Amino acid sequence: ILNVEQSPQSLHVQEGDSTNFTCSFPSSNFYALHWYRWETAKSPEALFVMTLNGDEKKKGRISATLNTKEGYSYLYIKGSQPEDSATYLCAFTGADKLIFGTGTRLQVFP
Amino acid sequence: DGGITQSPKYLFRKEGQNVTLSCEQNLNHDAMYWYRQDPGQGLRLIYYSQIVNDFQKGDIAEGYSVSREKKESFPLTVTSAQKNPTAFYLCASSIGRRPYNEQFFGPGTRLTVL
Repeated sequence: ILNVEQSPQSLHVQEGDSTNFTCSFPSSNFYALHWYRWETAKSPEALFVMTLNGDEKKKGRISATLNTKEGYSYLYIKGSQPEDSATYLCAFTGADKLIFGTGTRLQVFP
Repeated sequence: DGGITQSPKYLFRKEGQNVTLSCEQNLNHDAMYWYRQDPGQGLRLIYYSQIVNDFQKGDIAEGYSVSREKKESFPLTVTSAQKNPTAFYLCASSIGRRPYNEQFFGPGTRLTVL
């Protein structure tokens, strides 16, 4: 059974703090790693899709890295803002379908 | 304004009844998916479709059925055979079925069985 683990489960930070979360996935048969942001009462939205070992992607204050050999990806948020409050999902695909982790719930307090 | 719509937002069903959840997309995407979310679990794939008139079972297809008669539409029927249907259901689409194709999600339907 393929498993995707995310940590921590939840995180509370102050506005301006930088934060990071981890996604662990099987290191064999890797095709892509997706990150989604899911705000309350909205639809999940794609942040990044990463395919190559060593990939680094950036969108504004959010960036992600990928290590396919050891099976992990980090998501970083620099200078967190209240609007960053959301659940961050990662999903691994080994060619067939996306397998989602349970998410990291981030709450940023002003 | 392109996107995915799901209806209804909330649905209540009596035990033993079939219900159908609607999913429509105007993104011209070929692939569509249904996921289920339960507390403390990741999204799990119920069914997916790569093209019209074709669909495949996902990990938890038992007790569900789908159709794909039009590219834009992928309704999910929760049948009375589904033992524990109370959950949050998300529909998604992607331009293709490649591993790197990002998925676009609808707002979801929360189904409660009374």
